[in-house]
Amino acid sequence: AQSVAQPEDQVNVAEGNPLTVKCTYSVSGNPYLFWYVQYPNRGLQFLLKYITGDNLVKGSYGFEAEFNKSQTSFHLKKPSALVSDSALYFCAVRDKGTGRRALTFGSGTRLQVQP
Amino acid sequence: EAGVTQSPTHLIKTRGQQATLRCSPISGHTSVYWYQQALGLGLQFLLWYDEGEERNRGNFPPRFSGRQFPNYSSELNVNALELEDSALYLCASSWKTRSGETQYFGPGTRLLVL
Repeated sequence: AQSVAQPEDQVNVAEGNPLTVKCTYSVSGNPYLFWYVQYPNRGLQFLLKYITGDNLVKGSYGFEAEFNKSQTSFHLKKPSALVSDSALYFCAVRDKGTGRRALTFGSGTRLQVQP
Repeated sequence: EAGVTQSPTHLIKTRGQQATLRCSPISGHTSVYWYQQALGLGLQFLLWYDEGEERNRGNFPPRFSGRQFPNYSSELNVNALELEDSALYLCASSWKTRSGETQYFGPGTRLLVL
């Protein structure tokens, strides 16, 4: 079975400061890892993914994430937060070794960026 | 390029009725996925269709069903609606690759069961 944990329901950060949204995962094999963002009354918007190779993945809107296999983590980061980054962020995982394509999502972390 | 589209945006039904939700994938995508986002339950996988066939389903009762048409669009049907079926239903599509395809999501259909 695969699972994702996002330990923080909410993260508050001041505009211009760096932000981190935490994610840890569990799969039996090797993971595909994804970050999505959801704005109010909208669907999920893809930010970035880790497939293989370089542990530091760069994505849309200045976001990046670092894959750490030993800690089974995939934290989302941004060097300088914007008020417009305020939204709900989801981490998701899929096991590479299975034929199933279903993503397992974390419970989501609400990011609030204060001006 | 158009993204994933879903209709209707909102749907209001009463308990016991049937609901039909529709999804059109991104052009060229052959796989369609359905997820339920219910308050307090998070995002849960419902169904995966590829090349017209159901490939995998999540832990939902059989009254949740669907199909994929030859043009790769998809329908989700929910029979005998229950109050707890009230949720945002998200459709996603993807293209098969060897390197871990990305699922792109539509805006969702918000279903309210009264």
